[in-house]
Formats: sequence, structure tokens, C-alpha cells
Amino acid sequence: GNSVTQMEGPVTLSEEAFLTINCTYTATGYPSLFWYVQYPGEGLQLLLKATKADDKGSNKGFEATYRKETTSFHLEKGSVQVSDSAVYFCALSDGRSQGNLIFGKGTKLSVKP
Amino acid sequence: EPEVTQTPSHQVTQMGQEVILRCVPISNHLYFYWYRQILGQKVEFLVSFYNNEISEKSEIFDDQFSVERPDGSNFTLKIRSTKLEDSAMYFCASSDRPIAGVLFGPGTRLTVL
Repeated sequence: GNSVTQMEGPVTLSEEAFLTINCTYTATGYPSLFWYVQYPGEGLQLLLKATKADDKGSNKGFEATYRKETTSFHLEKGSVQVSDSAVYFCALSDGRSQGNLIFGKGTKLSVKP
Repeated sequence: EPEVTQTPSHQVTQMGQEVILRCVPISNHLYFYWYRQILGQKVEFLVSFYNNEISEKSEIFDDQFSVERPDGSNFTLKIRSTKLEDSAMYFCASSDRPIAGVLFGPGTRLTVL
């Protein structure tokens, strides 16, 4: 079945450090891929998305490229800020379902000043 | 910017009681969803709803659960007889184009005592 695997957290970085959160997936067909972010005490916010191979999603300085050959969608940011501290979830939708998202376990990021 | 709203933000109930969680999806969206997140665990799909009927449901969504769109704006999740293991954060979501992602509400924290 479809699944998403994220790197285990927590991840602790200093401000302005480079961030990578790995995400790989297993899916039949051609899924859409997403990163969601959950700030402390809040709900899930869509951070970025990619709907086909080689697409790059980007938002707020975050980027992720849909790599079909490695079944990956790693999240990157060149210079993190304290305000980026949150839990990040990778997710897929397999295209046959109407928005049924399969989530990874989430990666908690803490950024220290 | 339009957003999904949910009420209440926190619901405490006794085991065996019925609860109704309420959501107001974004007004021009046609696809509606419920997800849940047990504390410290991944976000799990419960059910999707389109054209006034359930389009997909997970194994979690058993006979104790039901959804309804009682009018043109609200979307509800009912749990008939709550169990301790139903304690979780419940997220409502909606979408106009599922392939492009879904937008989540802030969640209702359900505590079953």
C-alpha cells in the first residue's frame, strides 16, 4: 500500500543553518506530494506541493523537488529562523482518491537563536 | 483569506457519550474531510465527503462514526458512543481541487474520560 517515511526527529539547528528533512514514499501510479507544517498549538498548514515528477514546490524559502527516480520529496531551506520551529509533515495523495492524504510521522524542528 | 473553522476547540466528554464536532469548510469548496491525530502520532485519514455522500473512509471510521452536511455551510462528525481511545485532535479539511491539496482547520481536541 501507499506510505510515507520521514526522517526521525527532533532536529535542532542554530539560526541561519541549512535544513534538510528527508521524505521518501511508496505509491502506485502518480501521486501528488505535499509538505504540511504544524506550529505549536495550531492546525496543519499547507507549506508546498508538487503534482508531477520533477516539479519543485516552494514557499517561504522552503523548497522540495518531486524525484520519481528516488521516490523522494526532501524539504530544504537555506537559512532557518527561530520562527520556523514547528513539526513538518510529508504527505501524499495517490490521485485515485479524492484528497485522501497519507502522512508521514512528522519531524519536529527546533531552531535556536 | 478564507479558512476552515471548527468548534469547539476543546471538548471533554465521558466514555459512552455522543459527541458532535462541527466544521465550516471554505465556502466554494466541494470536498470535505475529517482526519485525526492521536497525541504524538501521525495524522490519519478518517473520511472524505463529496456530493452529499461519503466518497471514501478508512478502517478507523467504523459504525460509531458518522458525518453529515446538515445545511449549506456546516459539516459535522458524530461519534455515537465515545471510547477512551477516541481521545485525539480531530481536523476538518476542505478542498476545491484535491490534487492541489486540502486546507485544514485548527482542530478540535477531544478528551474522553
